[in-house]
Amino acid sequence: QSALTQPRSVSGSPGQSVAISCTGTSIDVGAYNYVSWYQLHPGKAPKLIIYAVNRRPSGVPDRFSGSKSGNTASLTISGLQAEDEADYCCFSYAGSSTSFYVFGTGTRVSVL
Amino acid sequence: EVQLVESGGGLVQLGGSLRLSCAASGFTFSSYWMNWVRQVPGEGLVWVSRINSDGRRTNYADSVKGRFTISRDNAKNTLYLQMNSLRAEDTAVYYCANYVEGTAHFDSWGQGTLVTVSS
Repeated sequence: QSALTQPRSVSGSPGQSVAISCTGTSIDVGAYNYVSWYQLHPGKAPKLIIYAVNRRPSGVPDRFSGSKSGNTASLTISGLQAEDEADYCCFSYAGSSTSFYVFGTGTRVSVL
Repeated sequence: EVQLVESGGGLVQLGGSLRLSCAASGFTFSSYWMNWVRQVPGEGLVWVSRINSDGRRTNYADSVKGRFTISRDNAKNTLYLQMNSLRAEDTAVYYCANYVEGTAHFDSWGQGTLVTVSS
């Protein structure tokens, strides 16, 4: 099971919007509406940002949003803030005929 | 407040063994699937293993199958990962995370414990 493909890095100025893509296949991202996104800061616990493609846990700012089209999911951060600088990793359920779960390659978001 | 605290990481020689633990609190541990996920510094997350709520069903990534064993003690609210025949490529930060079945996502994570396999 290959990792989902994400851009290595994206960047934006404060207040701008950035989008991170997460490309899988028809047996993972394309097959299920079970894409989630996690924010990673070094030395800290990963944090759930989006689940089930576009649902936001309580406490996550509404500037984070998720979507999916075909085999590609996306995370958009609108109104970028300095504290959004982190790594972001997508995840998809991949079914019992494969290795069940697959993560993305990870994207570093830099706030210029 | 949900807390997951991993322990047991450290420096181990090639071919050696290590047992990781994950102490859970703040949620009904015995109701959740639990998982181990690892991250090589600078790289993405990789799923390692999962165990169902009563401990009877387990699954592993191909890369660790036959070498790692996941288990849990619901009376102690603790998850374990026994790692044997360790390889250099097992060097990573290991996280435990609880998993919500209905929407297939990892809800809460620990801060991780670093495992370094040296030759």
